Amino acid sequence: GESVGLHLPTLSVQEGDNSIINCAYSNSASDYFIWYKQESGKGPQFIIDIRSNMDKRQGQRVTVLLNKTVKHLSLQIAATQPGDSAVYFCAENGAFGNEKLTFGTGTRLTIIP
Amino acid sequence: DAGITQSPRHKVTETGTPVTLRCHQTENHRYMYWYRQDPGHGLRLIHYSYGVKDTDKGEVSDGYSVSRSKTEDFLLTLESATSSQTSVYFCAISDPGQVNTEAFFGQGTRLTVV
Repeated sequence: GESVGLHLPTLSVQEGDNSIINCAYSNSASDYFIWYKQESGKGPQFIIDIRSNMDKRQGQRVTVLLNKTVKHLSLQIAATQPGDSAVYFCAENGAFGNEKLTFGTGTRLTIIP
Repeated sequence: DAGITQSPRHKVTETGTPVTLRCHQTENHRYMYWYRQDPGHGLRLIHYSYGVKDTDKGEVSDGYSVSRSKTEDFLLTLESATSSQTSVYFCAISDPGQVNTEAFFGQGTRLTVV
């Protein structure tokens, strides 16, 4: 079946270093991907998105890379800060008008002071 | 939180009782969703709505029903709550067709069935 998964459930990074969170998806027809951040006790918060006609998209301290050949998505966070500690989810919005989000199980990022 | 209010924020109920969770939005978004979040499962879609009175099932819809009589309100009902429905429930909204089609989430409702 179609799935969106994450390679690592936990990741610890020294403050100031860069972090990379990875995500694999299985639906080759997926055309829209989103990264969410979820802090404890809160709902997921949109970070950045990318469409399948792009390989890379940059935001403020974050970059999303999409490799359609191997169906892989990554989120890079530059110069990590304590406030980056959270659970990060990738999600796909389906294809051909399917507006249902499918989420991965999440990666917990911990920033070490 | 993009004008999304979930109520109640916390609820404890007994097995076999009916429970209704409410999601209210002020963004006039067309799509509304109910997800549940459990450890090891991430977020799973229960039901969603693409317009007033237009709803469809998600991947974990058994035991749940929804209603949308107004654009701004989306109700999730557990007809007879079971312990397996203890979870954190999130409402989300989106407006596909705009430039950005990401979903915005509410703060969540923690439901405990005892």
